[in-house]
Amino acid sequence: DAGVIQSPRHEVTEMGQEVTLRCKLISGHNSLFWYRQTMMRGLELLIYFNNNVPIDDSGMPEDRFSAKMPNASFSTLKIQPSEPRDSAVYFCASSFFVGARLYSNQPQHFGDGTRLSIL
Amino acid sequence: GIQVEQSPPDLILQEGANSTLRCNFSDSVNNLQWFHQNPWGQLINLFYIPSGTKQNGRLSATTVATERYSLLYISSSQTTDSGVYFCAVYTNAGKSTFGDGTTLTVKP
Repeated sequence: DAGVIQSPRHEVTEMGQEVTLRCKLISGHNSLFWYRQTMMRGLELLIYFNNNVPIDDSGMPEDRFSAKMPNASFSTLKIQPSEPRDSAVYFCASSFFVGARLYSNQPQHFGDGTRLSIL
Repeated sequence: GIQVEQSPPDLILQEGANSTLRCNFSDSVNNLQWFHQNPWGQLINLFYIPSGTKQNGRLSATTVATERYSLLYISSSQTTDSGVYFCAVYTNAGKSTFGDGTTLTVKP
């Protein structure tokens, strides 16, 4: 089975442009996590979906960031307008949610990440 | 918010040695996970372990939730174990916090 697929792998764009990052979940998974990793702030959870519904978006840094799941197998993370401080590696991970807990007890499977540079 | 401290920050081992990595957290959590990021940047979820002990091959983890710490044991280390090990905690309020990681280097 294919793993979590992220695209693009690398993106370089100028400040002010819209950036769209994409993530395809593993077939059958119903939880989706977006993470950001920077040298300054380390790894941060941005947003978490269960069954296409955003459960926790408290990590989304500001209104310039938005995430959606237009269907059960796909998600996008948009930054508009982008700023140099948004430069980071963005990971998505999928999992299978079981039960009523806020966070699944199943392992998360990560994509290879998108390295984003905003000039 | 909750504080997560990992120790040691850096660890250098000779192949075949054993090691223990520690994760302390400052409040109650309902989920704790250990991750490994290899030198190429790929992240792998090692354990979901809010309490108790789990083992997977040469790796095992123990979380003592009442004392707010978790330990990751690596036995008979191999060069492929090199990378950064993160613990992440998730609270009842829906917040998640990652530690700063332990950078492990295993020398042949």
